Amino acid sequence: DAGVTQSPTHLIKTRGQHVTLRCSPISGHKSVSWYQQVLGQGPQFIFQYYEKEERGRGNFPDRFSARQFPNYSSELNVNALLLGDSALYLCASSSGLQRVTTGELFFGEGSRLTVL
Amino acid sequence: AQSVTQPDIHITVSEGASLELRCNYSYGATPYLFWYVQSPGQGLQLLLKYFSGDTLVQGIKGFEAEFKRSQSSFNLRKPSVHWSDAAEYFCAVALGNFNKFYFGSGTKLNVKP
Repeated sequence: DAGVTQSPTHLIKTRGQHVTLRCSPISGHKSVSWYQQVLGQGPQFIFQYYEKEERGRGNFPDRFSARQFPNYSSELNVNALLLGDSALYLCASSSGLQRVTTGELFFGEGSRLTVL
Repeated sequence: AQSVTQPDIHITVSEGASLELRCNYSYGATPYLFWYVQSPGQGLQLLLKYFSGDTLVQGIKGFEAEFKRSQSSFNLRKPSVHWSDAAEYFCAVALGNFNKFYFGSGTKLNVKP
């Protein structure tokens, strides 16, 4: 079975540009979360989507947006890129929201964004 | 505010030695606690989790962790470290409906031959 897949794996952008990162969850998983991992730090929560609705948002500016599609895949968009947006962006899928689930997040390998 | 603290940034142990990685959390309600491992070029992989019940939980790869409510800690242990355990380890707390995870800053483990 395929795990969480993310694309692209690496990309380089310049300040002010826009970027779109893509994520396909594990088959059957309806929840997708996005995390930013800056070098030397732990992942920081950006968004969670469940059944195409935003269910959680972290402390990130409005330049960051996301959406989830009917097939449960997701996109993370970042506008007006800043140098500080350089990071590994991780997508994680899970089966649902409720406590009856395992609660486990399954992570992709990430998209490494470098902003010059 | 919720937070997770991993006080050790780097730890080096000899192969075969025991290991303990520390994790402290600050969270008002009953925490759901996790340990994840991140190897170079790979995504985060779940080692173990604590929701309730027995405070000593077993995970994959021979790891275990103990939840101590009085100390707000969830330390990860392994009795005998293998060279393949070299990686970065993250402790995480989830909110009640699992819609947001808070991660610590990680502990990088080096294993000496």
